[in-house]
Amino acid sequence: AQSVSQHNHHVILSEAASLELGCNYSYGGTVNLFWYVQYPGQHLQLLLKYFSGDPLVKGIKGFEAEFIKSKFSFNLRKPSVQWSDTAEYFCAVNGDRDDKIIFGKGTRLHILP
Amino acid sequence: EAQVTQNPRYLITVTGKKLTVTCSQNMNHEYMSWYRQDPGLGLRQIYYSMNVEVTDKGDVPEGYKVSRKEKRNFPLILESPSPNQTSLYFCASRLDRNQETQYFGPGTRLLVL
Repeated sequence: AQSVSQHNHHVILSEAASLELGCNYSYGGTVNLFWYVQYPGQHLQLLLKYFSGDPLVKGIKGFEAEFIKSKFSFNLRKPSVQWSDTAEYFCAVNGDRDDKIIFGKGTRLHILP
Repeated sequence: EAQVTQNPRYLITVTGKKLTVTCSQNMNHEYMSWYRQDPGLGLRQIYYSMNVEVTDKGDVPEGYKVSRKEKRNFPLILESPSPNQTSLYFCASRLDRNQETQYFGPGTRLLVL
């Protein structure tokens, strides 16, 4: 069965710090991978996605993620965070054999000004 | 404007009183789904639909029903709500299973007393 694990439930950083949020998945086939962001009081927005091709994908707002197939990982990174990045971040997986989309439990990111 | 709408946005009800949360999209998307979001559990898929009259269970379908009689609408039905269905519900749609961007509705916050 598919599963997604996000290692950090809460992360607190100062502005300008570098960010890396971990995401590992379990699935025995080809996957599509996503990172979503949910700002306080808002619905989910897509940050970036990986379907195929270059394993380093760039998304909106300076975020990027790297798909490492051998590690079943899709970690999210940003070199220098801003206070406005305070939000909850969700990793998600969609396998090629079915249409379920599995989300991780989320990581709450809090940026100190 | 391309969007996913949900109604109502907030609902307080009592155990056992049937309710329906509507979801509508104006993008002619084939794929629609329902999620519930609970603290510490992330988003969990309840049901999804790949097209009209085609629905399938997600990870937490118990206690819910859906229907897809028209492409644009995908209502979520709670025949006999219970307090453990108190949650934040999101509807989402995407063009088809290969389209990467999933659009989320604004959410429906449900409290079952």
